[in-house]
Amino acid sequence: EAQVTQNPRYLITVTGKKLTVTCSQNMNHEYMSWYRQDPGLGLRQIYYSMNVEVTDKGDVPEGYKVSRKEKRNFPLILESPSPNQTSLYFCASSQGAGGYNEQFFGPGTRLTVL
Amino acid sequence: GQQLNQSPQSMFIQEGEDVSMNCTSSSIFNTWLWYKQDPGEGPVLLIALYKAGELTSNGRLTAQFGITRKDSFLNISASIPSDVGIYFCAGQLKSTSGTYKYIFGTGTRLKVLA
Repeated sequence: EAQVTQNPRYLITVTGKKLTVTCSQNMNHEYMSWYRQDPGLGLRQIYYSMNVEVTDKGDVPEGYKVSRKEKRNFPLILESPSPNQTSLYFCASSQGAGGYNEQFFGPGTRLTVL
Repeated sequence: GQQLNQSPQSMFIQEGEDVSMNCTSSSIFNTWLWYKQDPGEGPVLLIALYKAGELTSNGRLTAQFGITRKDSFLNISASIPSDVGIYFCAGQLKSTSGTYKYIFGTGTRLKVLA
C-alpha cells in the first residue's frame, strides 16, 4: 500500500531531551516536507526537501533540523525541544515539486514537551 | 511567517445547505490547493488549481483560482454529514532559491447538522 508513515504517533518528552521523528514513504517520491499544526494557525511548513541533494527552510524552521540521506526517509530532529514545540506534526511527500504534484500526508505525530 | 487569511473560521450548517469559504493572500501564487482534514488524520487533497481564473469541480465541490492570483474560494453544494472536518486552502510559491514551498490557510472547521 502506498503510504507515508511516521513514528512515533504520540510522544511526551521533557525540555532539552533530543528527539527524532521518523518519516518514510514507499512511493519513490522526490519531494518531502514537514509541517506543524497548531490550533488557529493551520499548517506551517518547517522544512522541505526537493530531492536528496536539496533541502530548504519553510516558514518556521527555528529549533528543528532535518536530514535527507536517502530518498525514502526524511527525519525531523529536535536537538533541544522546548514547550513551544508542543504540536501536531505531519510529514508529506509528492512525486515532484511544483505544478501537478499532489502531496500525500502521513497520519501525524502528536508531540508534547513538558 | 506567511499565512493565508481563510474565512470563515468555523461554520455550523444544516444538511443540504451549500457552503462557501475563501482564502486571500498578499502574495501571488502559481497554484492554489484545497484540502480536507478528518479528525485524527492528515489532510487530503480535494482540488488543485493551476491557472488564474480557473474554475474546477470535483463532485459537489467547486473551487476557483482568483484572477489576481491572490485569492481562491471553495464551494460545497448540498452538504452531507460526512463533509464535517477542517478545510484548508494552500498556495504554492517558488522561492528565490528555485525551490517550492507551501503556505497554508488557518482552516475552516465545518460542522453539518443532520
